[in-house]
Amino acid sequence: DIQMTQSPSSLSASVGDRVTITCRASQDIRRDLGWYQQKPGKAPKRLIYAASSLQSGVPSRFSGSGSGTEFTLTISSLQPEDFATYYCLQHHSHLLSFGGGTKVEIK
Amino acid sequence: EVQLVQSGAEVKKPGESLRISCKGSGYDFTNYWISWVRQMPGKGLEWMGRIDPSDPSDSYTNYSPSFEGHVTISVDNSINTAYLQWSSLKASDTAMYYCARRTGDVWGTGTMVTVSS
Repeated sequence: DIQMTQSPSSLSASVGDRVTITCRASQDIRRDLGWYQQKPGKAPKRLIYAASSLQSGVPSRFSGSGSGTEFTLTISSLQPEDFATYYCLQHHSHLLSFGGGTKVEIK
Repeated sequence: EVQLVQSGAEVKKPGESLRISCKGSGYDFTNYWISWVRQMPGKGLEWMGRIDPSDPSDSYTNYSPSFEGHVTISVDNSINTAYLQWSSLKASDTAMYYCARRTGDVWGTGTMVTVSS
């Protein structure tokens, strides 16, 4: 099974800050990774697919990078509506797996 | 509009059986596999397993080792619906359950399952 290690598990940031979240895979997953945002009481929403492709309708302040075993989600200028929990998901293996999540809170 | 609409909240007792559903609309249901994802209260997302509706036989169903043997995923293509089923619920099955299309480009509305004596 492929393990996804996400860091940090939580962070505090201010509006306008640049925020970076990392996921590390236990083996090479090429670019078979997506990033998801979840707000309380809501279903997750995909932000990024194929490691760096922006989902239609998602603001351009969100970006993804990486390949192989290390991946990054960056929010270039944090907005009030971005306070949420973020997850990565690998689909390289026939058994998919999520990272543990990163809760982005208001400083 | 592409949608996955899930069945409503359930309250069950330990040992009871349950089947929840996920109905797709707005796209060719057989072209996209469906995953099920668990979220226990206050916790993260856990991938449970998936099924390829183009061939709903067992060989096209994958389960996470954490869930294999405890749940069954199935599909009825005649009504564009995927199912997640338990034969004997435990209190630890209390969670929100989501279905998702393919790698999560579309998510279901979620079904809250509460198991309590």
